[in-house]
Amino acid sequence: GENVEQHPSTLSVQEGDSAVIKCTYSDSASNYFPWYKQELGKRPQLIIDIRSNVGEKKDQRIAVTLNKTAKHFSLHITETQPEDSAVYFCAAGDSGYALNFGKGTSLLVTP
Amino acid sequence: GAVVSQHPSWVICKSGTSVKIECRSLDFQATTMFWYRQFPKQSLMLMATSNEGSKATYEQGVEKDKFLINHASLTLSTLTVTSAHPEDSSFYICSARAADRAQETQYFGPGTRLLVL
Repeated sequence: GENVEQHPSTLSVQEGDSAVIKCTYSDSASNYFPWYKQELGKRPQLIIDIRSNVGEKKDQRIAVTLNKTAKHFSLHITETQPEDSAVYFCAAGDSGYALNFGKGTSLLVTP
Repeated sequence: GAVVSQHPSWVICKSGTSVKIECRSLDFQATTMFWYRQFPKQSLMLMATSNEGSKATYEQGVEKDKFLINHASLTLSTLTVTSAHPEDSSFYICSARAADRAQETQYFGPGTRLLVL
């Protein structure tokens, strides 16, 4: 089955700096890679996703890159703000099937 | 759009009792719903995949007789934790995939916090 590794487990940055979270996956059949943000005690919220036919996608301060050959994808947050502090999960899946989640990255943005 | 609700939001029960959790898609039809369990400071662990009108598919290590899943309509799936024990205490989250939208996108419910005494 699919195995998703996520690094780092914790990340602390100063407000305004960039944050990068990296994930690797094992199943070459995976073709969908979403990123979720989860605040304490709340539901995961989809913030961006990318499909295997695209190498990069950007939405304002958030971008995701995908390297299918190396089986890794990354989340980039620029100009971080304190409200970006949360746990971020990457996931990988095959269209029509369930998602496999990484273990999460706890991001802290300090003013 | 794509709102998923869960009820109850939290529940406390005695050991040995059964607890039912409902997951509803409010503004779309969900062909598939997923049930996850999340322990404190851990990731979401998939428990089962539920397709409307058919039996749920359980992940390895999840007891189907203990965690009963019913997906009777395109907007409702239920998870019943039977004979709950303290080790079943966790945050249970459902997600739903819309029939008329991108096949892969999952929309999550707000979760149900279960505490078994």
